[in-house]
Amino acid sequence: NAGVTQTPKFQVLKTGQSMTLQCAQDMNHNSMYWYRQDPGMGLRLIYYSASEGTTDKGEVPNGYNVSRLNKREFSLRLESAAPSQTSVYFCASSSRGGGGYTFGSGTRLTVV
Amino acid sequence: GENVEQHPSTLSVQEGDSAVIKCTYSDSASNYFPWYKQELGKGPQLIIDIRSNVGEKKDQRIAVTLNKTAKHFSLHITETQPEDSAVYFCAAARKADSSASKIIFGSGTRLSIRP
Repeated sequence: NAGVTQTPKFQVLKTGQSMTLQCAQDMNHNSMYWYRQDPGMGLRLIYYSASEGTTDKGEVPNGYNVSRLNKREFSLRLESAAPSQTSVYFCASSSRGGGGYTFGSGTRLTVV
Repeated sequence: GENVEQHPSTLSVQEGDSAVIKCTYSDSASNYFPWYKQELGKGPQLIIDIRSNVGEKKDQRIAVTLNKTAKHFSLHITETQPEDSAVYFCAAARKADSSASKIIFGSGTRLSIRP
């Protein structure tokens, strides 16, 4: 099993550009999450999807939108990228009532 | 909302010695406490977790302890080895069987094992 797959692995954007980060899981998990990781600040929750068809805001949702396309896929969109969104983005998934998250390998995004 | 504090931010220990990382949480309703290990260039990986109805859990060289009254939990690694060098995150969540668990992470501890 591939687990959680994120694309792309690296991306450089200019301020004001838009892009979508893709995430797919093949573990039949119900819930999916997007986190950002910044030095000294751990991982902060951007948005999550408890189940197919639902999405909710996390700690730092401003500047982002998400789509739970189906049970497998959960995308994160930056409509107008800003330098403050330079970060490493991680997607994760979990099963209902199960243990912790399974994380993808991350997308390193730089906004110049 | 939940707040998780983690100490120390960096830790260097001699190979073979023990390492201890400590965390505190603020939400008394949190009932699930996972620990993650993140190696360079990779996503975090779950290494051990504990639920609030248990005070201690061990898995080979790794153990976690939980003090619900004080809202403290700790990770203990014994007989450290070079491959233990990584960033470790503690976390806390309210976990219900029927819903997603929003896990709140600490800021991380960079553990270095000296040969």
